[in-house]
Amino acid sequence: DIQMTQFPSSLSASVGDRVTITCRASQGIRIDLLWYQQKPGKAPKRLIHAATSLESGVPSRFSGSGSGTEFTLTISSLQPEDSATYYCLQHSSYPQTFGQGTKVEIK
Amino acid sequence: DVQLLESGGGLIQPGGSLRLSCAASGFTFRSYEMTWVRQAPGKGLEWVSSISGSGGATYYADSVKGRFIISRDNPNNTLYLHMSSLRAEDTAIYYCAFITPFYFDFWGQGALVTVSS
Repeated sequence: DIQMTQFPSSLSASVGDRVTITCRASQGIRIDLLWYQQKPGKAPKRLIHAATSLESGVPSRFSGSGSGTEFTLTISSLQPEDSATYYCLQHSSYPQTFGQGTKVEIK
Repeated sequence: DVQLLESGGGLIQPGGSLRLSCAASGFTFRSYEMTWVRQAPGKGLEWVSSISGSGGATYYADSVKGRFIISRDNPNNTLYLHMSSLRAEDTAIYYCAFITPFYFDFWGQGALVTVSS
């Protein structure tokens, strides 16, 4: 099974800061990676597919990079509404696996 | 519009069984893989199971293999998760999800399953 290691588990940053979240796969997954944002009490919302492609309607301050085993989600200028927990999901092989999540708080 | 509506959650004793349903609408249900994802209270997301559009292929997380069965009724646009030998650690919100790699990503509102005596 492919393990997804996501870090940091939490971070606190100021409005306008650049924030980076990393997911590392235990084996190569090409670009078969999705990024989700989840706010309390809500279902997850997809931000990025195919590791780097922004979903329609998602602000351009979000971006994804990487392939193979190392992936990053970057928020270029953190906004108050970005306070949430972020997850990566590999769909390269079954069982699919999520990262452990990164809770982003605004200072 | 795509809609996914879960039902069947509730309180169940350890060792018991429960069946979750997900009524789908707004897309050609039989053409797409469907997925169950769960989230224990205060914890992260966990992929549970997926089923191909025809129902001929099923996949499970190690944590539920042998205890849960995913199935679908394509004529009635319904996805199921049959859960048995339930444990306290199965307590979670269970989401029905329609996830494709590039285009579609829709989730239901979730159904709460509580395993407790």
